[in-house]
Amino acid sequence: DARVTQTPRHKVTEMGQEVTMRCQPILGHNTVFWYRQTMMQGLELLAYFRNRAPLDDSGMPKDRFSAEMPDATLATLKIQPSEPRDSAVYFCASGSAAKVTEAFFGQGTRLTVV
Amino acid sequence: AQSVAQPEDQVNVAEGNPLTVKCTYSVSGNPYLFWYVQYPNRGLQFLLKYITGDNLVKGSYGFEAEFNKSQTSFHLKKPSALVSDSALYFCAVRDGGTDKLIFGTGTRLQVFP
Repeated sequence: DARVTQTPRHKVTEMGQEVTMRCQPILGHNTVFWYRQTMMQGLELLAYFRNRAPLDDSGMPKDRFSAEMPDATLATLKIQPSEPRDSAVYFCASGSAAKVTEAFFGQGTRLTVV
Repeated sequence: AQSVAQPEDQVNVAEGNPLTVKCTYSVSGNPYLFWYVQYPNRGLQFLLKYITGDNLVKGSYGFEAEFNKSQTSFHLKKPSALVSDSALYFCAVRDGGTDKLIFGTGTRLQVFP
């Protein structure tokens, strides 16, 4: 059963600490998305990659957020330094070239910054 | 700019009754529209999409959606609701010629026994 795997599922950290969230896309999917979900803002696209290259990261605060794909099986989202307003659920999703908008979502990382 | 609106924060329906979750869109050009569902503590799951063709689109779990160009709507429907359909439903539109999806604010569907 193919699925997108995100780690950790939950993270509590202190303000100012670095946070790294990881995502393993479905094997063979070449498009990866990072979304953030909050009660106030809903679902926001932070960044997305195709064939490991960043296509759009305009939704991401550049001063503290960074997203990378070291290889085809791993996508990372880093926050440094973290702030309380970064508290949210972060979702990774992947899609294939043929049906990229039918994205498959991971279960998310619930981040709490105190 | 492309956008979708979900006017209802919550929809309540009795099990066995038909359900409708509303979505309206604003796009330039032809709309590519989607419905996703989110169960508690889970990621979103794709339900169905409209690209072109038949205005009535059938999707997963017995859901369907009707594309109405004159009313710029894409409402999600199901003839007979199940308690297990209770979840958060998101309408989305593709952003121009990109792969990005712009999501609505979501509608919580509560189906009562």
